Amino acid sequence: GAGVSQSPSNKVTEKGKDVELRCDPISGHTALYWYRQSLGQGLEFLIYFQGNSAPDKSGLPSDRFSAERTGGSVSTLTIQRTQQEDSAVYLCASSFFVQGGEKLFFGSGTQLSVL
Amino acid sequence: RKEVEQDPGPFNVPEGATVAFNCTYSNSASQSFFWYRQDCRKEPKLLMSVYSSGNEDGRFTAQLNRASQYISLLIRDSKLSDSATYLCVVKGFQKLVFGTGTRLLVSP
Repeated sequence: GAGVSQSPSNKVTEKGKDVELRCDPISGHTALYWYRQSLGQGLEFLIYFQGNSAPDKSGLPSDRFSAERTGGSVSTLTIQRTQQEDSAVYLCASSFFVQGGEKLFFGSGTQLSVL
Repeated sequence: RKEVEQDPGPFNVPEGATVAFNCTYSNSASQSFFWYRQDCRKEPKLLMSVYSSGNEDGRFTAQLNRASQYISLLIRDSKLSDSATYLCVVKGFQKLVFGTGTRLLVSP
């Protein structure tokens, strides 16, 4: 499809397990963002990629969280030793620049539930 | 202080009403500004960019006040379908920062 694709759409895991979330951005979009959103809360910035490099990782909550992007395209967000407080919707967005600024297009998210 | 702050609401208005939301930002070097809309359990979608001169898109008008570091969104002639959470978004040097959103409920 033409939009941002995230997989899986839902993930249920046990506390202490590792999870990997995938994001396929829109083709040609050089910038890619990861956010997370807890129920009823705003979007929390996690990490930003420009191409394959991550100039801003300031939002990653702990060293259990890591992300990479390869080929300027697909990105994976890995959470090691998951905790219950990691439960949230993880949203990926890619963007392109037009007159007036940067426009983000979001995937439909991965709902992560840590039991 | 949060980078981007919004009144969470909810704003309850009748159909046809005019409603306005404000959003303040702390980084005076912020470069770009946007309003996004998020429906319940859905991903955010771009509503409109905010330009220094102000801009209008149908019933929606966005304004930017750099001196006071706030942006606003005005919705005229509210429709039931306008019920959603409106997210203020500010871009600094690198990342796009979202406010927590203002919830709007339009009733018949």
